[in-house]
Amino acid sequence: TQLLEQSPQFLSIQEGENLTVYCNSSSVFSSLQWYRQEPGEGPVLLVTVVTGGEVKKLKRLTFQFGDARKDSSLHITAAQPGDTGLYLCAGALNQGGKLIFGQGTELSVKP
Amino acid sequence: GAVVSQHPSWVICKSGTSVKIECRSLDFQATTMFWYRQFPKQSLMLMATSNEGSKATYEQGVEKDKFLINHASLTLSTLTVTSAHPEDSSFYICSAIGTSGRAGETQYFGPGTRLLVL
Repeated sequence: TQLLEQSPQFLSIQEGENLTVYCNSSSVFSSLQWYRQEPGEGPVLLVTVVTGGEVKKLKRLTFQFGDARKDSSLHITAAQPGDTGLYLCAGALNQGGKLIFGQGTELSVKP
Repeated sequence: GAVVSQHPSWVICKSGTSVKIECRSLDFQATTMFWYRQFPKQSLMLMATSNEGSKATYEQGVEKDKFLINHASLTLSTLTVTSAHPEDSSFYICSAIGTSGRAGETQYFGPGTRLLVL
């Protein structure tokens, strides 16, 4: 069974704090995607990382793909209430585009 | 670009009835679409992979006679929940990719359909 372990599953922080979400697996992924989802809506793609060791930045969000392409992290600097939501990592295997999703991280940023 | 729509956005039905959910890729051709189910505060659970013009591939534990999937065109896939029961109440989300499953192809998600079975 291919698993993608995401942690933490819940995170409640104050505005201005930093946080990191981790996704780890024993499987090697061809790419890894991060999504953000708000209640009652579909996931919205934040970034796709493809190359081992790759780092991508999206404003206050920094995404990293592990050298071995088995793990990834999402770091948010100076979190804001608007960052509140469910963050999902998803790894792509060479199986017809199928994605393996992590358990999700429910982030709450309090003003 | 890469917009996926779903219809309806929410539906309430009586137990025993069937409900059809549509998933459309609006500005690209999707040879592969995926159907997911999501419970509150949880991640997405893949139900099936739908390829245009062929039978869907269901994940283990998903009843193919219960959840009928049709992918008749390059822009439309439908999920029919047959003889729905309250335990089928959930948030159903589809996604689409623009090629025939090339590794690493980005999936674009629809906005989801909330199903409530009374």
